[in-house]
Amino acid sequence: GIQVEQSPPDLILQEGANSTLRCNFSDSVNNLQWFHQNPWGQLINLFYIPSGTKQNGRLSATTVATERYSLLYISSSQTTDSGVYFCAVDNTGTASKLTFGTGTRLQVTL
Amino acid sequence: NAGVTQTPKFQVLKTGQSMTLQCAQDMNHEYMSWYRQDPGMGLRLIHYSVGAGITDQGEVPNGYNVSRSTTEDFPLRLLSAAPSQTSVYFCASSYGHYNEQFFGPGTRLTVL
Repeated sequence: GIQVEQSPPDLILQEGANSTLRCNFSDSVNNLQWFHQNPWGQLINLFYIPSGTKQNGRLSATTVATERYSLLYISSSQTTDSGVYFCAVDNTGTASKLTFGTGTRLQVTL
Repeated sequence: NAGVTQTPKFQVLKTGQSMTLQCAQDMNHEYMSWYRQDPGMGLRLIHYSVGAGITDQGEVPNGYNVSRSTTEDFPLRLLSAAPSQTSVYFCASSYGHYNEQFFGPGTRLTVL
């Protein structure tokens, strides 16, 4: 099956700093999503982005499908951004069958 | 809309017991899935459904059964619980092939 690698595994930032999280995948995909798991365990969908660039407030994402990677940018980080960020992909055309990476754990300190 | 709901939030079972984890969504989504999350790992797909009456296995289906009699509900059954099934279980739904998935709050299951 498709492999998903995320880097870095852990990241500590001071509030106000910017960061870039990376997701590499081993095969072409037709579905790629970024999720944030907050410290209470809730998974929140950030972006559906199989290709191109999207922005939502301080967060933006870019997927370069031909080179098999996606980037999540967090600008002016806040303590509420802490948690684990997951990239998940599908290459079967079935939205229910996402394959997840192991995540990037982000801690934003004051 | 309540979104995706899961019950119970927490459950402790003894080895060999059976139970059903409930999942419901009120968004009229065709696609529903069950994942498990183990410490330090991403989520792994257990079973999924692309519509009422249609289910299929994911990456780690052994020890679990599902059914989908309605669009709204997608219960996950543990037939004979084992300690290896200690995990956090998430249910998710999406509108179609190329749409974002929405997750429920999860059920934390411990098997002694």
